[in-house]
Amino acid sequence: DAGVIQSPRHEVTEMGQEVTLRCKPISGHNSLFWYRQTMMRGLELLIYFNNNVPIDDSGMPEDRFSAKMPNASFSTLKIQPSEPRDSAVYFCASTRDRGLGQPQHFGDGTRLSIL
Amino acid sequence: GQQVMQIPQYQHVQEGEDFTTYCNSSTTLSNIQWYKQRPGGHPVFLIQLVKSGEVKKQKRLTFQFGEAKKNSSLHITATQTTDVGTYFCAGPESNYQLIWGAGTKLIIKP
Repeated sequence: DAGVIQSPRHEVTEMGQEVTLRCKPISGHNSLFWYRQTMMRGLELLIYFNNNVPIDDSGMPEDRFSAKMPNASFSTLKIQPSEPRDSAVYFCASTRDRGLGQPQHFGDGTRLSIL
Repeated sequence: GQQVMQIPQYQHVQEGEDFTTYCNSSTTLSNIQWYKQRPGGHPVFLIQLVKSGEVKKQKRLTFQFGEAKKNSSLHITATQTTDVGTYFCAGPESNYQLIWGAGTKLIIKP
C-alpha cells in the first residue's frame, strides 16, 4: 500500500513568495495532520482535519498560513507571503480514525527554505 | 498544560553499547507511542503501550510503561549503526492530538 505522499520534497524560494505544500493521505484514513519540525521547537502540530473538516487549527502560526482539504485524498498547506522564519520541514500524517491509540503515518516531508 | 519530557537530548555510544531514553508525563497517560526518525527521514511508528507496567520487546528494543502510566522508557541492547536516529515518545492529549517529547538523538561514535 502507498504511504502518505507529500510534494514537493524540497522547496527553496525567496521571501514574499507563495508556497503550497501538498499531501495525499493513505487511502481509508480519515484523519490528517500537518506538522512543522525545527531544531528549536521540535515537532509542532499546525492543523488537524477529520473527515475533511478542520477540527483544530490552533497551531497555525498566523494568518499567512492556511490549509484546505477539499476531499479525502488531498490536502494543501499554503504560506503567503513566506518569510525566512518559516524555513522548516513540514510533515503530513494520517490515521485511520480519530480515536486514541491510532499510530500516525507520516509522509517524507517537505524541506522548505525561504531565502 | 500537559507536558511530555524526554531525556537525554543526545546520547553518544560506541557501537555495541546499550542506549536508553526516558519519557515522563505531567499527567497520567491512557497510552504512549514510540517513534523513530532516521536522519533526513520522517517519524516512523514503533510501538504503543497501553497497560500499567507493560513491557514489550522488538528484537533488541525493550519498551516499558510505568506502573503509574506517567513514564516510559526505551532501551536498546547492543546498538548497531542501523539504530542511529532520534527516538520520540508521544502521549495523547485529546482524542486526536499527540503531545510529543523532544526526542533523544542516538549517535554512534566512530
